[in-house]
Amino acid sequence: DTGVSQDPRHKITKRGQNVTFRCDPISEHNRLYWYRQTLGQGPEFLTYFQNEAQLEKSRLLSDRFSAERPKGSFSTLEIQRTEQGDSAMYLCASSSFLSGDQETQYFGPGTRLLVL
Amino acid sequence: DQQVKQNSPSLSVQEGRISILNCDYTNSMFDYFLWYKKYPAEGPTFLISISSIKDKNEDGRFTVFLNKSAKHLSLHIVPSQPGDSAVYFCAATGNTDKLIFGTGTRLQVFP
Repeated sequence: DTGVSQDPRHKITKRGQNVTFRCDPISEHNRLYWYRQTLGQGPEFLTYFQNEAQLEKSRLLSDRFSAERPKGSFSTLEIQRTEQGDSAMYLCASSSFLSGDQETQYFGPGTRLLVL
Repeated sequence: DQQVKQNSPSLSVQEGRISILNCDYTNSMFDYFLWYKKYPAEGPTFLISISSIKDKNEDGRFTVFLNKSAKHLSLHIVPSQPGDSAVYFCAATGNTDKLIFGTGTRLQVFP
């Protein structure tokens, strides 16, 4: 049984470039979340999917950010025209949601982005 | 507005002793609380959780206590081991499904 995987683990890019990150959730998990963590802070929610439907987006998610989960399995997070303020650890989590139950989210190793 | 607060940025404990990490929250709609452990350059690892219908949950060396009236929870680690040295995050969720995290407490367990 594999956990949540993320690719790449590290990304260095120049300001203005586009980047795309991938997340593969735990098999059979129907929910997938994206968070962002900066130094000295806890992870902050960005967006999440239930199957292929994107159910919520944070106000933190500017128009330059887009996320997809086309077949309800893996997800991609794209940042267009990157800015230095986008430098952070991008974390993906997945959970098995059943209506009425408490769900536990399990995190991947993260993708560390540095925008020069 | 920080809805989940971990007021101690760091804690140092001797091996074998008890570690107590604290967390306060402000949103009375939170009904599920989780603790995660994080090593540098890795994602958070789930440790233990508690529902608001309980006041205590144990899993091996880890126990979480919830005081709803005080909006306070704590994580007890007994006995502490050097491998427990990491950053610990408290998180909460309620009528929305996203997790709200505190800023973390760095625990150092020394011999």
